[in-house]
Amino acid sequence: QQQVKQSPQSLIVQKGGISIINCAYENTAFDYFPWYQQFPGKGPALLIAIRPDVSEKKEGRFTISFNKSAKQFSLHIMDSQPGDSATYFCAAQIKAAGNKLTFGGGTRVLVKP
Amino acid sequence: DAGVIQSPRHEVTEMGQEVTLRCKPISGHNSLFWYRQTMMRGLELLIYFNNNVPIDDSGMPEDRFSAKMPNASFSTLKIQPSEPRDSAVYFCASSLSGGRNQPQHFGDGTRLSIL
Repeated sequence: QQQVKQSPQSLIVQKGGISIINCAYENTAFDYFPWYQQFPGKGPALLIAIRPDVSEKKEGRFTISFNKSAKQFSLHIMDSQPGDSATYFCAAQIKAAGNKLTFGGGTRVLVKP
Repeated sequence: DAGVIQSPRHEVTEMGQEVTLRCKPISGHNSLFWYRQTMMRGLELLIYFNNNVPIDDSGMPEDRFSAKMPNASFSTLKIQPSEPRDSAVYFCASSLSGGRNQPQHFGDGTRLSIL
């Protein structure tokens, strides 16, 4: 059973545009929601994360929006750059369960120059 | 600072052979995770350790897979005998445990091909 659903599977955006990736979760015990960025041949790397008591978190061009009642969260990449081309994974974690991560299926983002 | 180190980076072997993947976590981290990544199933958690003790191995696909962590600086994932469907990229990650949620730091993975 997939506990974190991610969409879209892929997206293409022009340089300077906004990339939006959406995730939905089912388990209300999740208490931490990180986003990971993965380049080809590399492992996922933490990009930005949010806790459910916050509705939005911004770091540079990356923003997470969190809707606790809808059990949804999203990543916005503003002013997308070709270097942002990568696969992005949302994830959810339960601290009491040993910080295990449940990943979404991933979104492949291509930023065209 | 050195990150999570995995070896080998690539492994090609024939079906039926034993495969051993290795991981050195970040010094001071006391949680270690093994993941498998495939196009079909995405990133799956196989097993994780806390303070060298296996805590949850419910993701290990079958008895052909085993993992050990003999000390805080080394872990292995073994597949015996290997099968073509085991072909995937295997990642090791480490983190601190305790306190607030701690991020996991991933190695660059081992790309395994079973012929």
